[in-house]
Amino acid sequence: RKEVEQDPGPFNVPEGATVAFNCTYSNSASQSFFWYRQDCRKEPKLLMSVYSSGNEDGRFTAQLNRASQYISLLIRDSKLSDSATYLCVVNERAGGGGADGLTFGKGTHLIIQP
Amino acid sequence: ETGVTQTPRHLVMGMTNKKSLKCEQHLGHNAMYWYKQSAKKPLELMFVYSLEERVENNSVPSRFSPECPNSSHLFLHLHTLQPEDSALYLCASSQERLGWSEQFFGPGTRLTVL
Repeated sequence: RKEVEQDPGPFNVPEGATVAFNCTYSNSASQSFFWYRQDCRKEPKLLMSVYSSGNEDGRFTAQLNRASQYISLLIRDSKLSDSATYLCVVNERAGGGGADGLTFGKGTHLIIQP
Repeated sequence: ETGVTQTPRHLVMGMTNKKSLKCEQHLGHNAMYWYKQSAKKPLELMFVYSLEERVENNSVPSRFSPECPNSSHLFLHLHTLQPEDSALYLCASSQERLGWSEQFFGPGTRLTVL
């Protein structure tokens, strides 16, 4: 059974702080990894893909550890608008590709406090 | 954003009713998906259509019946549902290719089964 595990939180973090959370996946054949963001009562939206070498997009850094089967998301200088649920997502198809569908974690709830 | 639209946004139905959920994508994508999001559970992939052919059915009960008449439209026909089927039903689309294809989600239909 494919599983993606995340700490549900909530993570209560003061504005400006750095926060990090991890996600573990059970299927070693997983090939593509992503972080999605879901705001309250809204649909999920792609935040960033996670590459083997790690990647950075502004204040966000994602890393992949295949040996330990986890991915991480680091948010620096957190903003109030970062408050959301962050979904860890894996896809088994090599190189991604849409038609297989995705396996989602339950999400980590992040609350940035002023 | 109007890339992927879903109707209705909210639906309340009895266990003996028959209803249909509609999804339309305006992005020119060739793959569409139905997901179910229940409280405190991860998004669950229900159905995948690629080039209008169903490619995956994750053991979804037969009371859910998908239909994909063309690459832009996707339906989920509902009949004799159970209260535990109450959830947010999300439609997504992507352009299937060998590289990563971002999935774009619609706003969802929040279904309540009485």
